[in-house]
Amino acid sequence: DAGVIQSPRHEVTEMGQEVTLRCKPISGHDYLFWYRQTMMRGLELLIYFNNNVPIDDSGMPEDRFSAKMPNASFSTLKIQPSEPRDSAVYFCASRGTGVSTDTQYFGPGTRLTVL
Amino acid sequence: AQTVTQSQPEMSVQEAETVTLSCTYDTSENNYYLFWYKQPPSRQMILVIRQEAYKQQNATENRFSVNFQKAAKSFSLKISDSQLGDTAMYFCAFMKRAVRFGAGTRLTVKP
Repeated sequence: DAGVIQSPRHEVTEMGQEVTLRCKPISGHDYLFWYRQTMMRGLELLIYFNNNVPIDDSGMPEDRFSAKMPNASFSTLKIQPSEPRDSAVYFCASRGTGVSTDTQYFGPGTRLTVL
Repeated sequence: AQTVTQSQPEMSVQEAETVTLSCTYDTSENNYYLFWYKQPPSRQMILVIRQEAYKQQNATENRFSVNFQKAAKSFSLKISDSQLGDTAMYFCAFMKRAVRFGAGTRLTVKP
């Protein structure tokens, strides 16, 4: 399996622009997670889905952030409008359920810089 | 809500020596999972070791082992025969449904 795939790997944009981050989970995994990593706040869970349904979005910082999972193989995290304080590394992760698959695997991350 | 505490922001160890990273957590759950993840400079999150709370036996993976004390809510990681490639950030993590992380410990292995 190719693992969790994220795109783009790097994104540089200007304040006020819309940013869309993409994630393809591992095939067969029914949970998908979005995290944000910054020096100040560490690794924060933003939102997670189970069977394409958002379960907990309490970590989403504000209304400028939105996430969707239209099908089992694709999710997006959108920031509109972006601000410099959104600069961070954004990770997507996925996992299955059951004894042998109950481990969360991470994508390589998207480094976002908002100027 | 679950919290994970790593009280050692930075640690260092000489190559070939043993080092132990500490982690405590707080939860009211009885069944859960605990993990240690490694994040090298590449920023990739790499699973090091995994422990199911219902198992009393401590997990081991080659040079990596844990000391899981459920009653004390403690989950330390021991790295034996440290290698230069072990230099990284190490995150302790708790999972019931989603993984939640501690602040991390930056480990440096010195030659």
